[in-house]
Amino acid sequence: AQKVTQAQTEISVVEKEDVTLDCVYETRDTTYYLFWYKQPPSGELVFLIRRNSFDEQNEISGRYSWNFQKSTSSFNFTITASQVVDSAVYFCALSEYLNAGNNRKLIWGLGTSLAVNP
Amino acid sequence: DGGITQSPKYLFRKEGQNVTLSCEQNLNHDAMYWYRQDPGQGLRLIYYSQIVNDFQKGDIAEGYSVSREKKESFPLTVTSAQKNPTAFYLCASSTRINTEAFFGQGTRLTVV
Repeated sequence: AQKVTQAQTEISVVEKEDVTLDCVYETRDTTYYLFWYKQPPSGELVFLIRRNSFDEQNEISGRYSWNFQKSTSSFNFTITASQVVDSAVYFCALSEYLNAGNNRKLIWGLGTSLAVNP
Repeated sequence: DGGITQSPKYLFRKEGQNVTLSCEQNLNHDAMYWYRQDPGQGLRLIYYSQIVNDFQKGDIAEGYSVSREKKESFPLTVTSAQKNPTAFYLCASSTRINTEAFFGQGTRLTVV
């Protein structure tokens, strides 16, 4: 069965430290998508990135970077030089097909709560 | 600005009452979803709709109902049959082709 595991429940760092959030997934699909979302204290989930299963290139966006490795079924997220505004819960998710209509359902990890302290 | 609007942000309900949560999107997305979030349990799918006038049960549909009469709107009714309705409810939408879902700001429902 499809599954997403975020083993780190809570992480606390001091501002300017680098931090990596782990995500391990299980799927039988050959084509799938992986996502990261950020949920700040306000509650709204903010989409950060989508990665499809055929693209293993790492991606960097400002202070954020993602490392996708199919060999280990991992999609880890690194924040470089963390800031207080990065404090949030971060969710990793995996998509699976709902049906033949090409729509997908997201399988969510339980999230990692990141606290960045000044 | 395009986006998803949920209302109200906070909602209080007496036990035994039905309550409807609103979700409107102007992103022209075909698919819409309702999730429930409880502490330590992540997001759980309640209902989803791929097109107008069609919707399907998710993982925890008991005690909930939805309708999709318009593309832009996907209201969720929490009925008195829902045993533990106090939670944070999130509405989302996505296109049929792209798979990333975009979320509203959520409604926090409290049963008093």
